[in-house]
Order: sequence, then C-alpha cells, then structure tokens
Amino acid sequence: NAGVTQTPKFRILKIGQSMTLQCTQDMNHNYMYWYRQDPGMGLKLIYYSVGAGITDKGEVPNGYNVSRSTTEDFPLRLELAAPSQTSVYFCASVLGVSYNEQFFGPGTRLTVL
Amino acid sequence: GENVEQHPSTLSVQEGDSAVIKCTYSDSASNYFPWYKQELGKRPQLIIDIRSNVGEKKDQRIAVTLNKTAKHFSLHITETQPEDSAVYFCAASNNQFYFGTGTSLTVIP
Repeated sequence: NAGVTQTPKFRILKIGQSMTLQCTQDMNHNYMYWYRQDPGMGLKLIYYSVGAGITDKGEVPNGYNVSRSTTEDFPLRLELAAPSQTSVYFCASVLGVSYNEQFFGPGTRLTVL
Repeated sequence: GENVEQHPSTLSVQEGDSAVIKCTYSDSASNYFPWYKQELGKRPQLIIDIRSNVGEKKDQRIAVTLNKTAKHFSLHITETQPEDSAVYFCAASNNQFYFGTGTSLTVIP
C-alpha cells in the first residue's frame, strides 16, 4: 500500500492564480481530511469528507473547495490564490468512526507571491 | 466548535528526565485523543492515543492520561532521549480533529 499520497510536493503561485492539490489513498478509508499548517502552529481543518459524494466545511474553509467523487481521491481546489494561503497542506484519511487513527500524506508546501 | 489548548509551547529537559505536556478541550462530545510527533519538514506521526472510555494508556516510555470530568489530557515521556526532540501536538476528535498549537520539546544530552 502506498498509503496517502499528495501531489505536488512544492508549488509557487502568483496572487490570483488557481490550482488543485491532489490527494489519493489506497486503503479504502471512508473519511478524508484537508489541513493547513502555518509556521509554528498546529493543523487547522479546511474540509473533510465522510464518504464519496459527501463533503463538509472545517474551521477554515474560505478560499477553498473540495470534491469527493471516489473513495480514493479528495482534491483541494484553491481559487484566486492569496498570500494568506501560503502554508503547508496535509491530507489525511481514517478508516471509519470506530477506527480513528489518521494516516497523513507527506504534505504540499505552497507559497503564494 | 471544539477548542484545544496545549501547554507549554516550549520545553527543555535533560536527557533521562521526564517530560509532561498538557492539553484541555471544550467539547464533551470529543471521544478520541491522539498525540502526534512532528519532526521538521515531516508529516505528523501518531505516537499514542486514548479513547474517552479509558483513563490511562502506556506504551513503553510514553503514557497518556485522560480526565473526562475536567476535560484535560496529558502526555508523559519518561527517560527522555535526544531523538525525542521534536514538536508534539495533541488533538481532540469526534469525526473532526482539532489540534493544539504544539509543544517544541528539546532533550539536552
């Protein structure tokens, strides 16, 4: 199993550009999450999904969108990138309600200039 | 929503001493409390977790305690080693995960 994979590893965007951060898991996990981690801070939940076709907002959803058309994939879309979105983005997955251990992807470091 | 507070933000200990990190949470619906270790530039790594129906859990040099009434939980690392140096995060969960702001632990050889 590859676990949770994320692409790209690094990206520099100009203000106003858009991009999609990819996240894929091959463990047949139902729950998937997107976090951002600013320097010296904990992780903040952006969006999460409890299954294909179901998504919900977390603590900091503004400026982002997600979709979950398959169990495996949970892409995060940034529209009109802003410097405040400079951060490290982690995707994570959990099997289900009674199996809480989160498996994290390696992260995407995004800089918006 | 849930609010998780973590203290201290930095902690330095001599090798062999114990380290204790404390967290509080606000939502009584939270039922799962993991602790993560994160090294510089790496993803968070689960080191121990506890569910709300358990008061204490131990795994070798690492232990976690949970006081549901007071809504606080703590990480205890005994016989610290230089390789324990990292940032540690607590979290509280009931489907969503809410993280503390982290504790930077330095173990001095």
